[in-house]
Amino acid sequence: GQNIDQPTEMTATEGAIVQINCTYQTSGFNGLFWYQQHAGEAPTFLSYNVLDGLEEKGRFSSFLSRSKGYSYLLLKELQMKDSASYLCAVRVPQTGANNLFFGTGTRLTVIP
Amino acid sequence: DVKVTQSSRYLVKRTGEKVFLECVQDMDHENMFWYRQDPGLGLRLIYFSYDVKMKEKGDIPEGYSVSREKKERFSLILESASTNQTSMYLCATKGGTHGYGYTFGSGTRLTVV
Repeated sequence: GQNIDQPTEMTATEGAIVQINCTYQTSGFNGLFWYQQHAGEAPTFLSYNVLDGLEEKGRFSSFLSRSKGYSYLLLKELQMKDSASYLCAVRVPQTGANNLFFGTGTRLTVIP
Repeated sequence: DVKVTQSSRYLVKRTGEKVFLECVQDMDHENMFWYRQDPGLGLRLIYFSYDVKMKEKGDIPEGYSVSREKKERFSLILESASTNQTSMYLCATKGGTHGYGYTFGSGTRLTVV
């Protein structure tokens, strides 16, 4: 089976920086995605890494180390609206498909 | 941008009823998926489809079936709804500009009483 682990909950202060970690053990690897999901809403795409290193997009950055099976999502200058769940997903090549497998999500609460 | 539309946002059904959840996408993508999302369990894949009339089981297909008669429409069917199928159901399509990640519909929260 595919194993994708991330912390269940995190709390951080408005204006601060928070790092959400994700480790994975999968039968193959063809990319890692981060999604943001506000309560009661659909997940929305945040970032994609397929090569090692850091991808930066505004206040959000995502890092990947394939040899360690490890990624993190870095959120800077936290805002209240960043309170949401953050889902780590790994694309795994399978017969006839490349499907996404998701971690259980990290619920981030931003406090004033 | 890809649009994925799920026909109902909230549904309440009785145990034993046959339930249809509809999903329509407007970008001609081959791959479509049905997930359910439960607290502490994350997103779990129920079924997916590569193309019209093709379907594959995901991780938790028991109690569900699917139909893909047209490329843009992927239906999830609960043959006889049970209370343990109360959940948030998310449809997704694969494609677009984001490294071939998924675009999700807004979800259907199903309650079986």
